[in-house]
Amino acid sequence: SYKLTQPPAVSVSPGQTASITCSGDKSEHKYISWYQQRPGQSPVLVIFQDNKRPSGIPERFSGSNSGSTATLTISGTQAMDEADYYCQAWDSRTSYVFGAGTKVTVL
Amino acid sequence: EVLLVESGGGLVQPGGSLRLSCTASGFAFSTYAVSWVRQAPGKGLELVSFISAGGAITYSADSVKGRFTISRDNSRNTLHLQMNSLRAEDTALYYCAKDPGGSTIAYYFDSWGQGTLVTVSS
Repeated sequence: SYKLTQPPAVSVSPGQTASITCSGDKSEHKYISWYQQRPGQSPVLVIFQDNKRPSGIPERFSGSNSGSTATLTISGTQAMDEADYYCQAWDSRTSYVFGAGTKVTVL
Repeated sequence: EVLLVESGGGLVQPGGSLRLSCTASGFAFSTYAVSWVRQAPGKGLELVSFISAGGAITYSADSVKGRFTISRDNSRNTLHLQMNSLRAEDTALYYCAKDPGGSTIAYYFDSWGQGTLVTVSS
């Protein structure tokens, strides 16, 4: 089955840039979406189709995807950005596939 | 405003059954594919089952295939998940999630419910 690999944790200082990677196990391009999940809350879509932001998502969230690695970048990270972040892709055999998640800590 | 409200969770013994429901409002439910996604305590997100807008196409994860059945009632704007032969490893918060693609699946989720907790324990 298709798998997405994320680092378990990323630490960032307030105001700095956090980068979270998501690697697929195939070289074919797949659109990647990203979800933010704060403690005790439901996931929220922050990036879709690699680099598009839904309305209401701050501009400091951006996405890119090249080759088999996608990246979520949080510029000027704020304390409120501390959360778990999940990447997600679609695979024709396994439908919606999620990465294991990355815990972002704002120190 | 899009709203997805799950219900039906609870405590059930191993081998038992539960039926989850998700009531949708604020959008044309019959036009969109929806899914059940679960999250075990302290763990990540896992797709459980998916159903197309009209209900003709479904998908279930290998971990639940043959035990869980997804269905929808478009006349009542409701999504269901019939869960049989429950196991301890099915313990999780079950979310209802909407794909924004309409007639063409977009392959991501733009709206999530608050979840309903299923606990399988004796």
